[in-house]
Amino acid sequence: DAGVIQSPRHEVTEMGQEVTLRCKPISGHNSLFWYRQTMMRGLELLIYFNNNVPIDDSGMPEDRFSAKMPNASFSTLKIQPSEPRDSAVYFCASSRTQGNRNEQYFGPGTRLTVT
Amino acid sequence: EDQVTQSPEALRLQEGESSSLNCSYTVSGLRGLFWYRQDPGKGPEFLFTLYSAGEEKEKERLKATLTKKESFLHITAPKPEDSATYLCAVHAHQTGANNLFFGTGTRLTVIP
Repeated sequence: DAGVIQSPRHEVTEMGQEVTLRCKPISGHNSLFWYRQTMMRGLELLIYFNNNVPIDDSGMPEDRFSAKMPNASFSTLKIQPSEPRDSAVYFCASSRTQGNRNEQYFGPGTRLTVT
Repeated sequence: EDQVTQSPEALRLQEGESSSLNCSYTVSGLRGLFWYRQDPGKGPEFLFTLYSAGEEKEKERLKATLTKKESFLHITAPKPEDSATYLCAVHAHQTGANNLFFGTGTRLTVIP
């Protein structure tokens, strides 16, 4: 299994530009999660999907952030317009949720730098 | 409010010097406690899930234990390759159906 795939691995952009991060979950997993990690705040959940449906987006910082999951094998996280405070590592994770079983498997992350 | 506190923030060990990392949690209805390892520049790597007090899991030099208030990750005779940040996370009834709430981690350095 290829694991969770994220692209790009690194993104440097200027303030005000649109940024799109991409994720391919592990085949057969029914839940997908987007996290942001910073030194100050650690790992924070932004949004998660179950069976392609957004379940909880309460962690999305503001309206500049949006996420979609058009099918079971692809998700995007978009920031428009981007700001320097959005600089962080963004992780996508997926899991096959059954009852209490919820082991999440993480991708390698996208390091975003907004100048 | 759900809380997860990990201690210490950082730990330096000599190779072979056994120790334990702590994860204290306050949640309403624990559904599972998870341990992850994170190497610099990589995503967290799943290690263990513990579901009930008294449960133990082992993998190589690592053993995770769980009580009603905390979990320990015991590292026996660590090697330099065990150096990483270790994260714990809880899955609780109030956190949401599938959410995990992560602690801030313990950064472990094992010196040869």
